[in-house]
Amino acid sequence: AQSVTQPDIHITVSEGASLELRCNYSYGATPYLFWYVQSPGQGLQLLLKYFSGDTLVQGIKGFEAEFKRSQSSFNLRKPSVHWSDAAEYFCAVGPNYGGATNKLIFGTGTLLAVQP
Amino acid sequence: SAVISQKPSRDICQRGTSLTIQCQVDSQVTMMFWYRQQPGQSLTLIATANQGSEATYESGFVIDKFPISRPNLTFSTLTVSNMSPEDSSIYLCSGGTSGRNEQFFGPGTRLTVL
Repeated sequence: AQSVTQPDIHITVSEGASLELRCNYSYGATPYLFWYVQSPGQGLQLLLKYFSGDTLVQGIKGFEAEFKRSQSSFNLRKPSVHWSDAAEYFCAVGPNYGGATNKLIFGTGTLLAVQP
Repeated sequence: SAVISQKPSRDICQRGTSLTIQCQVDSQVTMMFWYRQQPGQSLTLIATANQGSEATYESGFVIDKFPISRPNLTFSTLTVSNMSPEDSSIYLCSGGTSGRNEQFFGPGTRLTVL
């Protein structure tokens, strides 16, 4: 079955510290992979995406993610966290083909808190 | 990227009534979707909104409860019918382009049913 697992429900880091949010997926083929961020009371904003090519992708707000096919993972990283990064982060996967449907499957999310 | 707006941003409704949520995209998109995000949970796809035809519903969601319209490439509506407190959720609209599977989301409609 297709699924996305975010093992960490809640993470707290100090401002300026590095961050890694984990995402593992189960999919029939190489999927498209995404990270979205949701600030309180807001919709989802696309941070970055992986379609093909270089397995290390850069996104907005200083985030990056690395696709590791052997581990079925797409972990999100940031070298130095800012207080404004406090939000909920969702990993998502979708089909890697030009089909008529582009459904996304979302993980359960990781809530990030940033300590001063 | 596409900019997506939703109306209303939030509403408080009485049990048994219906609410229609509007979704407007600033550019033509191939695909439009409606998601539900229940309190403290992730997003669950309700249906794919198809232009000029009936929406395609996911397992557990039916047209009588969540009728959807999409009269053109930039506009869609979702109606939550005969509401109960269990329908209290955030409803999000998204749009994307077939082939790249990159979806952009609206700000969501926060619905509370009393």
